[in-house]
Amino acid sequence: NAGVMQNPRHLVRRRGQEARLRCSPMKGHSHVYWYRQLPEEGLKFMVYLQKENIIDESGMPKERFSAEFPKEGPSILRIQQVVRGDSAAYFCASSSSQRKPHSGANVLTFGAGSRLTVL
Amino acid sequence: AQTVTQSQPEMSVQEAETVTLSCTYDTSESNYYLFWYKQPPSRQMILVIRQEAYKQQNATENRFSVNFQKAAKSFSLKISDSQLGDTAMYFCALFQGAQKLVFGQGTRLTINP
Repeated sequence: NAGVMQNPRHLVRRRGQEARLRCSPMKGHSHVYWYRQLPEEGLKFMVYLQKENIIDESGMPKERFSAEFPKEGPSILRIQQVVRGDSAAYFCASSSSQRKPHSGANVLTFGAGSRLTVL
Repeated sequence: AQTVTQSQPEMSVQEAETVTLSCTYDTSESNYYLFWYKQPPSRQMILVIRQEAYKQQNATENRFSVNFQKAAKSFSLKISDSQLGDTAMYFCALFQGAQKLVFGQGTRLTINP
């Protein structure tokens, strides 16, 4: 049973380019969360999605950032016109249920992260 | 607003010693969950231990245990018989109903041989 798969693990972009980060949740999980970790900081919530729906995007910057979780395929975090301040590790996590996602076996599982470097 | 504070940026102990990492939090809810995550150099986020606020008994997972003081809003992690593989960043995190984890700033723990 593969865990949460994120790719690419490392991505280098020049300022102004676009970055696309992909996340395939664990098998059977339909809830996806994206977090950002700046150097020497904890993870900060960005967005919570279910299949074809954005449930909570309160942590997402209003401009240049978007996320989707289509009916088929992985969740995508897209950053347009990247700037140096976007350099960070982006983590995806998944769970199988919205209700009590941390009880019993329904634990939030994190991927290994995607490290974005903007030159 | 929910906040999580880890007041120890770095800690260092000798192998086999016991170490305690501190965490305080703030929430207005009565039911919530608390977690400790480990982030080794590989950067993978690994769940170490979790505590449900309505449970009075402190959670334990092998060498890892917590001291959960609900009234004081304190949630410390104790690592017994520390091992070299315990070297990592440790993050305390709070979850309540809003579908998002709030993380502390982290404590960098080094276990010396």
